[in-house]
Amino acid sequence: QKEVEQNSGPLSVPEGAIASLNCTYSDRGSQSFFWYRQYSGKSPELIMSIYSNGDKEDGRFTAQLNKASQYVSLLIRDSQPSDSATYLCAVNSPHGNTGKLIFGQGTTLQVKP
Amino acid sequence: DADVTQTPRNRITKTGKRIMLECSQTKGHDRMYWYRQDPGLGLRLIYYSFDVKDINKGEISDGYSVSRQAQAKFSLSLESAIPNQTALYFCATRDSSGANVLTFGAGSRLTVL
Repeated sequence: QKEVEQNSGPLSVPEGAIASLNCTYSDRGSQSFFWYRQYSGKSPELIMSIYSNGDKEDGRFTAQLNKASQYVSLLIRDSQPSDSATYLCAVNSPHGNTGKLIFGQGTTLQVKP
Repeated sequence: DADVTQTPRNRITKTGKRIMLECSQTKGHDRMYWYRQDPGLGLRLIYYSFDVKDINKGEISDGYSVSRQAQAKFSLSLESAIPNQTALYFCATRDSSGANVLTFGAGSRLTVL
């Protein structure tokens, strides 16, 4: 079992729809969870972080965390073609204060006009 | 200027050659990381460093070495490059006192023929 798993997609949604991206992780000790967006050929950029169970909203983005189910998701409301990218879920390694992040393989999102 | 600068941005080399990828940062962060990215595999950690005297192996360190010449500089070397080291390499930094958030460089695309 991979430590952080995502469906690689592609996930295709029409413009204006809600895109739902999912991620599961294996280590119950993980405390910090991140969503990075990566455009083709570019570096990842942080769009959301979440540390507590529940929802966290930032503009059109909502991150959801359920530690009991070891599940974190990202919702993108009113999806735009500019949201088309690969979304990487990252989880901190809880073993020691290393600051290591473990990444999923990424989900490719395509928003069609 | 970028906060995290990687050189070279692109490099094509031959099997058996020694290659060095360099990373420098102006953020004053103490922690630096090297990741490689392959299609469908997300980002995998090669090496990380907490300061100039602290170097640690990541999950895929075989075939690589690193040098932390100063707090701001962290270099990745491939002593004898092989074709399966063809990948996109990212340097990232993090401040140990802050949130567990990585800042990435623009990436170095390496092709080994």
